Amino acid sequence: EAQVTQNPRYLITVTGKKLTVTCSQNMNHEYMSWYRQDPGLGLRQIYYSMNVEVTDKGDVPEGYKVSRKEKRNFPLILESPSPNQTSLYFCASSRSPPPASYEQYFGPGTRLTVT
Amino acid sequence: QKEVEQNSGPLSVPEGAIASLNCTYSDRGSQSFFWYRQYSGKSPELIMFIYSNGDKEDGRFTAQLNKASQYVSLLIRDSQPSDSATYLCAVTVSEGGFKTIFGAGTRLFVKA
Repeated sequence: EAQVTQNPRYLITVTGKKLTVTCSQNMNHEYMSWYRQDPGLGLRQIYYSMNVEVTDKGDVPEGYKVSRKEKRNFPLILESPSPNQTSLYFCASSRSPPPASYEQYFGPGTRLTVT
Repeated sequence: QKEVEQNSGPLSVPEGAIASLNCTYSDRGSQSFFWYRQYSGKSPELIMFIYSNGDKEDGRFTAQLNKASQYVSLLIRDSQPSDSATYLCAVTVSEGGFKTIFGAGTRLFVKA
């Protein structure tokens, strides 16, 4: 089954404790992306990756890191989480990057709470 | 700052009516336009995409794009209660990177 998986689905942590949210896709997609979704603000792009070892900032990259060492995986790293990073996070992948891209396939989401 | 604007709603329509959802965007360099549907607690899923000016129809859905007015819309004909969801407009830009910008979404309620 073609899918994007994320782990964990739910996470409660404390300020400053480093965490990683994993994302994996099995569709051999080139383009992968991380978004956060907050009430009233919609989906905001954090980072994206055009292919292995090629990453770039989205609109809200502060406080986040990513890496793309393998085509299928695109982990999101919070080195020192803060309460304002409490949000719902989605990973997505697409066959090719914009503007040629068609559908972005989204993972199930990770609900993160930082206290 | 590139922006995508949507009326947050909620938009309420009776079953069988046409629902009209609108979206405006600020970047004239925008190249691809998407409508996603998101049910409460679920991930977004693609409904329609459109690249060229004009209308594009797929079943009960029609996407309309007017690049001169920087406006894209989604029409849902014969609305069903199962269409009740939040509809997200998304725009991709290739200037300054290959980013995707989403609107905040419009909540649609279809009353049975």
